[in-house]
Formats: sequence, C-alpha cells, structure tokens
Amino acid sequence: AQTVTQSQPEMSVQEAETVTLSCTYDTSESDYYLFWYKQPPSRQMILVIRQEAYKQQNATENRFSVNFQKAAKSFSLKISDSQLGDAAMYFCAYRSATGNTPLVFGKGTRLSVIA
Amino acid sequence: DTAVSQTPKYLVTQMGNDKSIKCEQNLGHDTMYWYKQDSKKFLKIMFSYNNKELIINETVPNRFSPKSPDKAHLNLHINSLELGDSAVYFCASSQVGWGPHNEQFFGPGTRLTVL
Repeated sequence: AQTVTQSQPEMSVQEAETVTLSCTYDTSESDYYLFWYKQPPSRQMILVIRQEAYKQQNATENRFSVNFQKAAKSFSLKISDSQLGDAAMYFCAYRSATGNTPLVFGKGTRLSVIA
Repeated sequence: DTAVSQTPKYLVTQMGNDKSIKCEQNLGHDTMYWYKQDSKKFLKIMFSYNNKELIINETVPNRFSPKSPDKAHLNLHINSLELGDSAVYFCASSQVGWGPHNEQFFGPGTRLTVL
C-alpha cells in the first residue's frame, strides 16, 4: 500500500519570503500522480499543483512550484513571495495512475504566514 | 454553479441517532468518493463508487452505508452514531480516464458532531 509522509506538522514564514514544505511517499508503482492541496479555515479542499511521475520537469503554478525527486520519492512544495492568504493546512497526496483510484493523503502541514 | 455540493454543511446530533449526508455533483463525472477527515485533520478514503457501483470499501464499520441512486448522487447514511464518528466528511468526484486531468473535485465538507 502507498503511504505519504509529511514530516513538518507546522511551519511559519514571513510575508513575502519563501517556504518549502516537505513530502515523501512510498510506492512500488512506476506510474502515479502527486498533488498538493490547500485547506484554508473554510475547510474547502483546493488543488494547488499536480505532478505526473513520468514527467521530469517540475510543475509550477505562479508562486507555487515543486521539487520532484522520483528516485528519492520526494515531492516538496515551494511557495514564493508568501502572502497572508497562503496560511492554511497543506496536504500532499498520491494517486495511482491505474484506474480511478482515490487519493492517499499525508497528515498535513499547517502553514502560518507572519505579517 | 456549485460543482460538488453536500448537505448539510453542519450536523449536530446525539449518540445513537441515525443520520444521512447527501452529495451531488453536476460535472458529469462517473466516480464519486467519501473521505473522512478526523480531529487531527487526517484525510482517508472511506468509499468509492463508479457508475453507481461500489468499487472501494475501506475498513469502515457496517454502520456506514453509502448509497448511489444515480451517477450524480452519492449519499452516506450512518446508523447508531458514536462519539468517534465526529469528523468532517468530504464528498468528491472525478471522471474515469487515464491521466492526471481526471482530478478529484471536493465538496465543501460536512462537519458532523456527535454529542
């Protein structure tokens, strides 16, 4: 079974600074997808960024980018120019590429942004 | 136009009661899911339905019974509610198909509190 580990329960960053959230995963599959979800206090799950395992190029979405290291099974999220609205729980998630499988989530990292 | 909707958003009830949570998606997706987020924010899959057919049933007590009357609806009925059932329940949907673009869209969640 696949597992996702987020080793940082809490992180904080100064406004306008850069922060990196860590995620590692364990799988025996070669084809899969990785995601970062943001959950603000409203509790809505918002997709931040996705990465296909077969792609070597790291995904970027505006101020959000990932560092995907397939051999190391590592998938970190970098948030640049942090804003107050970035404060939220961030979840790393894994999904197998076979079929329409559910997401396997890490335990989350609570990010605080300090003005 | 809400893509995935859940009712109710909040549910407070007494131990031993039976309650239902409803989920509807207007995205034309053929797979729907129920996830449970516990008090420590951990998200875990409970059930998955594809075209009204149950395809994933994780280790969930028999008191939980999902029902899918049609492709657009997936309801969750809980019998004999216990204190430990207090959690946020998320419905999600996605479209069958290979590729990351069949991302899962989440509903707003239902916060269930059992007293």
